[in-house]
Amino acid sequence: AQRVTQPEKLLSVFKGAPVELKCNYSYSGSPELFWYVQYSRQRLQLLLRHISRESIKGFTADLNKGETSFHLKKPFAQEEDSAMYYCALTGKAAGNKLTFGGGTRVLVKP
Amino acid sequence: EADIYQTPRYLVIGTGKKITLECSQTMGHDKMYWYQQDPGMELHLIHYSYGVNSTEKGDLSSESTVSRIRTEHFPLTLESARPSHTSQYLCASSPSGARQPQHFGDGTRLSIL
Repeated sequence: AQRVTQPEKLLSVFKGAPVELKCNYSYSGSPELFWYVQYSRQRLQLLLRHISRESIKGFTADLNKGETSFHLKKPFAQEEDSAMYYCALTGKAAGNKLTFGGGTRVLVKP
Repeated sequence: EADIYQTPRYLVIGTGKKITLECSQTMGHDKMYWYQQDPGMELHLIHYSYGVNSTEKGDLSSESTVSRIRTEHFPLTLESARPSHTSQYLCASSPSGARQPQHFGDGTRLSIL
């Protein structure tokens, strides 16, 4: 069965410092990976997906099939990046349903 | 504006009551989902639907039931609420086709006394 693991529950960084959120997965086949974000008092929303290969709000994520990872990175964290981040996976073997990781709370200190 | 709506946002109610959590979307999506999420924890899929008159149970067993009589409406019902049902319930929808991202509502925070 598919599984998504986010090993860090909390990441605390200073403004301007780099931030990297780890996401590892297990899946039989070719997955689609997503990062979702939930800012305080807002709904869960899509941040980016690996197939798009784009940078959103300065964040990038690269799918590493060899290491089965999809880490999220930003070179210079901003205070407005403070939020809850969820890594998620879908694919044919998962019945095209989303499987979420446990989430990582990012706190960017001034 | 196309969106996904959940009502109520908050509900505090006594044990034994029948509860219906509403979810409607005006995005024209065929697929809809219900997730359960305890504070600070991961989301668990409890129900999903790929179209009218189609409903399936998700990965997490739930005593709730759902119906999909109209494409835009996907209500969740608890026949007799218990304190163990206290949680946040998130509704989502996505377009047809594989590997589409899901769009989430604001959620309903349910507390059973």
